[in-house]
Amino acid sequence: EPEVTQTPSHQVTQMGQEVILRCVPISNHLYFYWYRQILGQKVEFLVSFYNNEISEKSEIFDDQFSVERPDGSNFTLKIRSTKLEDSAMYFCASSEGGRGRGYTFGSGTRLTVV
Amino acid sequence: SQQGEEDPQALSIQEGENATMNCSYKTSINNLQWYRQNSGRGLVHLILIRSNEREKHSGRLRVTLDTSKKSSSLLITASRAADTASYFCATDAYSGGGADGLTFGKGTHLIIQP
Repeated sequence: EPEVTQTPSHQVTQMGQEVILRCVPISNHLYFYWYRQILGQKVEFLVSFYNNEISEKSEIFDDQFSVERPDGSNFTLKIRSTKLEDSAMYFCASSEGGRGRGYTFGSGTRLTVV
Repeated sequence: SQQGEEDPQALSIQEGENATMNCSYKTSINNLQWYRQNSGRGLVHLILIRSNEREKHSGRLRVTLDTSKKSSSLLITASRAADTASYFCATDAYSGGGADGLTFGKGTHLIIQP
């Protein structure tokens, strides 16, 4: 069964450093997403991406965040200057889009900011 | 309560029993989805029910949706130890013309006692 692949599985970074989280969505999917889950809290929507541009973003997705699809397969989330409160599990997801379509999530990247 | 609020927060039952989890939401939706998350792992899509559907089955899973009460339930029949996980409902308020994100609840932590 097709999978969404995320790398790395765990990243530790110092506060103020830039991190790039990588995702390979399912190849025939058209919509891509990033979500995050702070330990013990809800899964929160960050951003959706369609047709090579951001479709929607939440209040969490401020100027320190950016997304990119640099080639035909990768989808990245960049955090420019990490803060302690950015520590969370980050999930990438993709879907075929349209009504009635489920999402396929990756296994996540656990980001720890120290 | 917030969009996508599950209850109970935790449920512990004996193997073989049925487990029922509920979800309430506040806004109009296009579909509601249930996901499972094993500890520290990614989200696995279980089942999606559209706003014009009232009940849906998939294997040992049965989902109901009552849009008049803005609520849904997930029933797992003949539970197994491997069903131990957190279960989340997520609402999709897809508004057309873009890829809106899912809104997740806090989840129900289900423990199946062998």
